[in-house]
Amino acid sequence: AQSVTQLGSHVSVSEGALVLLRCNYSSSVPPYLFWYVQYPNQGLQLLLKYTSAATLVKGINGFEAEFKKSETSFHLTKPSAHMSDAAEYFCAVSGGNTDKLIFGTGTRLQVFP
Amino acid sequence: DTEVTQTPKHLVMGMTNKKSLKCEQHMGHRAMYWYKQKAKKPPELMFVYSYEKLSINESVPSRFSPECPNSSLLNLHLHALQPEDSALYLCASSQAQEGSYGYTFGSGTRLTVV
Repeated sequence: AQSVTQLGSHVSVSEGALVLLRCNYSSSVPPYLFWYVQYPNQGLQLLLKYTSAATLVKGINGFEAEFKKSETSFHLTKPSAHMSDAAEYFCAVSGGNTDKLIFGTGTRLQVFP
Repeated sequence: DTEVTQTPKHLVMGMTNKKSLKCEQHMGHRAMYWYKQKAKKPPELMFVYSYEKLSINESVPSRFSPECPNSSLLNLHLHALQPEDSALYLCASSQAQEGSYGYTFGSGTRLTVV
């Protein structure tokens, strides 16, 4: 069965600092991987996705993620945090024997001035 | 149009009421989804429609009844709900029910059962 694990339910950074949100996946087949962001009282917005093309994926709002098969990781990064980045971030996986999108437990990002 | 529109945004209903949640998209997507999200938790899949046919029901209680009248619309009919059904209900769509497509989510309906 496929799954994703997000390390750290809460991450706090200062404005302008590097953002690193961790996601590790488990899959017996090449996975499709996604990062979504959810602002308070909103739906989820797709930040970026990996679908077996380039391993470094650039998304919206300055975010990017690198697929590392050897580490089974798909960590999300942003060089410089902005106050507006404060939100809940979900890593998700699909593919193989399931078309379902399976979410991690989420990481809440706080950005301090 | 690149949006999924959900109505109403908020809904309060009694345990004996019947209500419906609506979802609409005009992106030509052929797969549509209902998710339930409790506070501080990830979304949980409830139903999947592919080409207007129900393809996945995640063992959801029968008090939740989905309907897909056409390729642009998805409804969730609610009847005799329990207070524990209070949650954010999210609708999503994708080009097809295939793993490589990302989903487009609506902003959700905040449901409170009293």
